[in-house]
Amino acid sequence: GAVVSQHPSWVICKSGTSVKIECRSLDFQATTMFWYRQFPKQSLMLMATSNEGSKATYEQGVEKDKFLINHASLTLSTLTVTSAHPEDSSFYICSARKLGTAPNYGYTFGSGTRLTVV
Amino acid sequence: DQQVKQNSPSLSVQEGRISILNCDYTNSMFDYFLWYKKYPAEGPTFLISISSIKDKNEDGRFTVFLNKSAKHLSLHIVPSQPGDSAVYFCAASAFGNQFYFGTGTSLTVIP
Repeated sequence: GAVVSQHPSWVICKSGTSVKIECRSLDFQATTMFWYRQFPKQSLMLMATSNEGSKATYEQGVEKDKFLINHASLTLSTLTVTSAHPEDSSFYICSARKLGTAPNYGYTFGSGTRLTVV
Repeated sequence: DQQVKQNSPSLSVQEGRISILNCDYTNSMFDYFLWYKKYPAEGPTFLISISSIKDKNEDGRFTVFLNKSAKHLSLHIVPSQPGDSAVYFCAASAFGNQFYFGTGTSLTVIP
């Protein structure tokens, strides 16, 4: 079945540094990637949607200059948390969707990245 | 506004018995639903999905039921095992767009 590899699975960084999270679709072409974030005791919330070769669409309240998303190829999307602060500490997860139709749209989720900013 | 709700934050079940986790949604346009399991400090693990053209999908010990008229989704685990203890999330999407996630239900299976 379709596999999405998300790397790293966990990372600790110092305040002010930048962290890049990669999301790769291993055996299919992901036309759309979704990036989610989970705050403690809350549900996963969509941060942005990216389509290959075009700029990401960010959800309201998400700083596009802080959370840089690049979807340069059909198999790779990256999320870069720039100038990270402790409040950015969270669980980030990507979801890839291949070109498809109902009923299942070909969704696959990555395994997530736990970011801790100290 | 929470479009997907899991009103029970926790559930305890005896080993071997049935676990029933519930999920309600408000958007009638949702056409695809997922259940995920998550252990602490790990990423979600996909369990089972169902599209709106079905009302039941079964995979081993896991069965998902969809009641579109009630906008209600449930996950049945039979028989429950201690290794099933985790947080379970339901999620829904419409027309291949983003997923909306519930806040999760923490399941504890007591040996």
